[in-house]
Amino acid sequence: EPEVTQTPSHQVTQMGQEVILRCVPISNHLYFYWYRQILGQKVEFLVSFYNNEISEKSEIFDDQFSVERPDGSNFTLKIRSTKLEDSAMYFCASNPGLGSTGELFFGEGSRLTVL
Amino acid sequence: AQSVSQHNHHVILSEAASLELGCNYSYGGTVNLFWYVQYPGQHLQLLLKYFSGDPLVKGIKGFEAEFIKSKFSFNLRKPSVQWSDTAEYFCAVNAGAGNMLTFGGGTRLMVKP
Repeated sequence: EPEVTQTPSHQVTQMGQEVILRCVPISNHLYFYWYRQILGQKVEFLVSFYNNEISEKSEIFDDQFSVERPDGSNFTLKIRSTKLEDSAMYFCASNPGLGSTGELFFGEGSRLTVL
Repeated sequence: AQSVSQHNHHVILSEAASLELGCNYSYGGTVNLFWYVQYPGQHLQLLLKYFSGDPLVKGIKGFEAEFIKSKFSFNLRKPSVQWSDTAEYFCAVNAGAGNMLTFGGGTRLMVKP
């Protein structure tokens, strides 16, 4: 069964460093998302992406964050200058688009630890 | 804006007990409703979903949920839980394909053997 894959599974970085989290969504899906989950807390929406542009973003997704689909398969989340509070599990998800039920298919997550 | 409330934050049950986790949502239009499960150290997995038709939906591992439109609720049930059901359960809602999914705060279930 097709699945969303994410790399790295775990990244440790120093505060102030740039981090890029990578995702390969399911190949025929059209909508892509990033969510994060701080340890012990709820799953929070960051951003959605469709047709090569951001379609929606939350208050969390400030100027330190950016997303990109550099080629036909990868979908990346960049954090320009990491802060301690960026430590979380980051989940990528995708959805087929119109005609589907709206279910999001999640990757296994990338755990980011900022020291 | 849509929102989702899960009133039970922590639930502890013994094996074979029945389970019901509450979920209420706030949204004025047509919604799709989901329950996801997150086993310790793992990613989110879909348990079941409702988008139309029979309001009683059955999912994997013996779970079911009932959509009650008048109460804006989508409670999750299982008649007899097992130790392996220990996990965190998230209710979620969206307004359809392509729309962001809004999650509730989660319910942490512990099943004692």
